[in-house]
Amino acid sequence: DAGVIQSPRHEVTEMGQEVTLRCKPISGHNSLFWYRQTMMRGLELLIYFNNNVPIDDSGMPEDRFSAKMPNASFSTLKIQPSEPRDSAVYFCASSFAGFGNTIYFGEGSWLTVV
Amino acid sequence: QQQVKQSPQSLIVQKGGISIINCAYENTAFDYFPWYQQFPGKGPALLIAIRPDVSEKKEGRFTISFNKSAKQFSLHIMDSQPGDSATYFCAGADTDKLIFGTGTRLQVFP
Repeated sequence: DAGVIQSPRHEVTEMGQEVTLRCKPISGHNSLFWYRQTMMRGLELLIYFNNNVPIDDSGMPEDRFSAKMPNASFSTLKIQPSEPRDSAVYFCASSFAGFGNTIYFGEGSWLTVV
Repeated sequence: QQQVKQSPQSLIVQKGGISIINCAYENTAFDYFPWYQQFPGKGPALLIAIRPDVSEKKEGRFTISFNKSAKQFSLHIMDSQPGDSATYFCAGADTDKLIFGTGTRLQVFP
């Protein structure tokens, strides 16, 4: 099993540019999560999908952030326009939906906005 | 979204000592409480988890103690080793989603 695959692993971009982060969940998993990690706020849930449908996007910070899951094996998190305060590590995670099932994280996308 | 409070923020322990990390939650709908371990440059990974119908769960050197009435739970690492040096997150599960605490950076010195 390849695990959750995220790309890019590192990105440095200028303020105002569009950023797209990509995620391939573990095959067979039907829940997908996007988390953001910063020193100040820890791990924050941004949005999660179940069977490709967004279930809870209450953690998405503002309209500059959007996420899609066009099929069971791919999801994107887009930031447009990016700002320096968006600098963080963005994690994608997946699980087989069901109470108490383990959520598996990718290795993260390290975003720096200058 | 801060529904799980975690302390301490950082912890330094000597090899062989006991590491204790505490968490408190607010949401009484939480019904599953995992702990995740994160090494630098990696994503968090499940370490151990408990459901509130038991007061303690032990797996090797790792033990979760759970107090439902106080809405508190803790992780104890016995005989701490340098390889345990990592960031630890507690979490509460609300349906399918996990709400994490802010993390504890543990350093175990030889």
